[in-house]
Amino acid sequence: EAGVVQSPRYKIIEKKQPVAFWCNPISGHNTLYWYLQNLGQGPELLIRYENEEAVDDSQLPKDRFSAERLKGVDSTLKIQPAELGDSAVYLCASSPGTGGPAFFGQGTRLTVV
Amino acid sequence: QKEVEQNSGPLSVPEGAIASLNCTYSDRGSQSFFWYRQYSGKSPELIMFIYSNGDKEDGRFTAQLNKASQYVSLLIRDSQPSDSATYLCAAKMGAINMIYNQGGKLIFGQGTELSVKP
Repeated sequence: EAGVVQSPRYKIIEKKQPVAFWCNPISGHNTLYWYLQNLGQGPELLIRYENEEAVDDSQLPKDRFSAERLKGVDSTLKIQPAELGDSAVYLCASSPGTGGPAFFGQGTRLTVV
Repeated sequence: QKEVEQNSGPLSVPEGAIASLNCTYSDRGSQSFFWYRQYSGKSPELIMFIYSNGDKEDGRFTAQLNKASQYVSLLIRDSQPSDSATYLCAAKMGAINMIYNQGGKLIFGQGTELSVKP
């Protein structure tokens, strides 16, 4: 069974430029999470989807971040414009249901210069 | 107060010893608990989950849950240098929180760095 797939693995952009990350969850997983992880810290939740509905986006900086999960399958997270402080690893995870464990993709390491 | 707290470490143990990793959580609505291992430069990997009070064993790993004390732990027996990594504790709210859209929210601690010395 294929795991969670994220792309790109690495991205370097100049500040004020836009950037987008893509995630394809494990087949059949209804719950999809986007996390941000800074060096030496645990993952911090940005947004959680149940199917195509964003049920928890309270930690998403909506002035510059946006996300979508069309048709309740793959998802895109966008930053526009990027700031230096956005440099981090962006992790996508999926879960088969509200009680089950979440499985992570390889992550996207973003560097804003 | 953070919702899930761990000692950041580093925790250093000799090879063959038992490593004990601890985690506390603040929300009594949390229903399920997870331990992830994260090697440097890699993404978190699920190693254990526990839903009920008591112990759950899987090979060299034992997860312990005490809901009254809001405490979760992970024991690693016969520690190996390959166990050296950061261990993340996570708590997931259960269905009781669904009306507030919190059900399924998965919150992580800051992680404990474990170093197993040969």
